Amino acid sequence: EVQLLESGGDLVQPGGSLRLSCAASGFTLRSYAMSWVRQAPGKGLEWVSAISASGGSTYYADSVKGRFTISRDTSKNTLFLQMITLRVEDTAVYYCAEQQGGYWGQGTLVTVSS
Amino acid sequence: DVVMTQSPLSLPVTLGQPASISCRSSQSVVYSDGNTYLNWFQQRPGQSPRRLIYQVSNRDSGVPDRFSGSGSGTDFTLKISRVEAEDVGVYYCMQGTHWPGTFGQGTKVEI
Repeated sequence: EVQLLESGGDLVQPGGSLRLSCAASGFTLRSYAMSWVRQAPGKGLEWVSAISASGGSTYYADSVKGRFTISRDTSKNTLFLQMITLRVEDTAVYYCAEQQGGYWGQGTLVTVSS
Repeated sequence: DVVMTQSPLSLPVTLGQPASISCRSSQSVVYSDGNTYLNWFQQRPGQSPRRLIYQVSNRDSGVPDRFSGSGSGTDFTLKISRVEAEDVGVYYCMQGTHWPGTFGQGTKVEI
């Protein structure tokens, strides 16, 4: 059974940093393009970042470019999202997902507030 | 960027009756391999999104056959043949053809 388990969400002050993790089981990350998708309270789904199956291509939404970095550790089968200079508007549930949406994690809540 | 436009954004439904959601892309979502990576998702309250349909019309495992997808090029439709109470939630279309993908705004289905 495929499982994606996110962790790392927390309450952080504006300007702070967080690193989200997504541990995969029953699923080999290096075989799939993977994404981070977020959902602000009461809002729709928004692509944040993605990484190709080869790891050679990455994508960032304009709203996070220069502040977020996607990476993966294939030996640990884990996807990461390093977030710095966090803003109030980054508050959301962050999901990791296979790029075509076949698999999703349960989400981890990031709250940016003073 | 490819823009995905759904309609309606709110859909009141009656149990046992059909329902339909439209999704239009700002450009073709046919990929160079000939496949059309247009997917539909259901998000029930408090849950993660769940994919229902992939590549326009293929149901994911465990998805009831009352859900069906159709369309081509830039116009796509998700249909529920007979709405059940468990179908309440928000439905999203998503194109996965143009990296990394784009979601529609979501359609809220409520009884």
